[in-house]
Amino acid sequence: KAGVTQTPRYLIKTRGQQVTLSCSPISGHRSVSWYQQTPGQGLQFLFEYFSETQRNKGNFPGRFSGRQFSNSRSEMNVSTLELGDSALYLCASKQEYEQYFGPGTRLTVT
Amino acid sequence: GIQVEQSPPDLILQEGANSTLRCNFSDSVNNLQWFHQNPWGQLINLFYIPSGTKQNGRLSATTVATERYSLLYISSSQTTDSGVYFCASGDYKLSFGAGTTVTVRA
Repeated sequence: KAGVTQTPRYLIKTRGQQVTLSCSPISGHRSVSWYQQTPGQGLQFLFEYFSETQRNKGNFPGRFSGRQFSNSRSEMNVSTLELGDSALYLCASKQEYEQYFGPGTRLTVT
Repeated sequence: GIQVEQSPPDLILQEGANSTLRCNFSDSVNNLQWFHQNPWGQLINLFYIPSGTKQNGRLSATTVATERYSLLYISSSQTTDSGVYFCASGDYKLSFGAGTTVTVRA
């Protein structure tokens, strides 16, 4: 079975722009979660989607949003980028209890 | 939310040495997982271990849910074991520790 895939792998944006990241879960997995990893804050939960619905949300501003499609693929969007949004963004898919992570998208905001 | 404390923060080993990494949790352990983050950033699943003991090659893990801690054992360490090890607990939302950075020297 193919693992979780994320695109793009690397991205450079300037302050004020917006960005969309994509995640394809493991086949058959309906839950997709997003995490942000920074050196200062570590790994933090952004949100979780299940069957096209946002089921849970972490403590991030409204500039961070996401969606899930009928094939379980998910996208997250960050609007009005700030320097502090520079991070590794990881998505994870889950079928029952265990989460499996993709390779991540490394976003640099200049 | 649940607080996860990992120790030690850094570990330097000589190839062939054994080591133990520990995670303490402030609340009930739920769906505990151990990960190894490779140099490119991907989190690789090591164990799903909500309780009990599991072994996979040179790695093994033990979770004592009633006492809110988990241990990861690395035996006969190799340079490829270098990297950051994370434990995490949660249902929809995994709460991660700060990680243990392991460096194995040849």
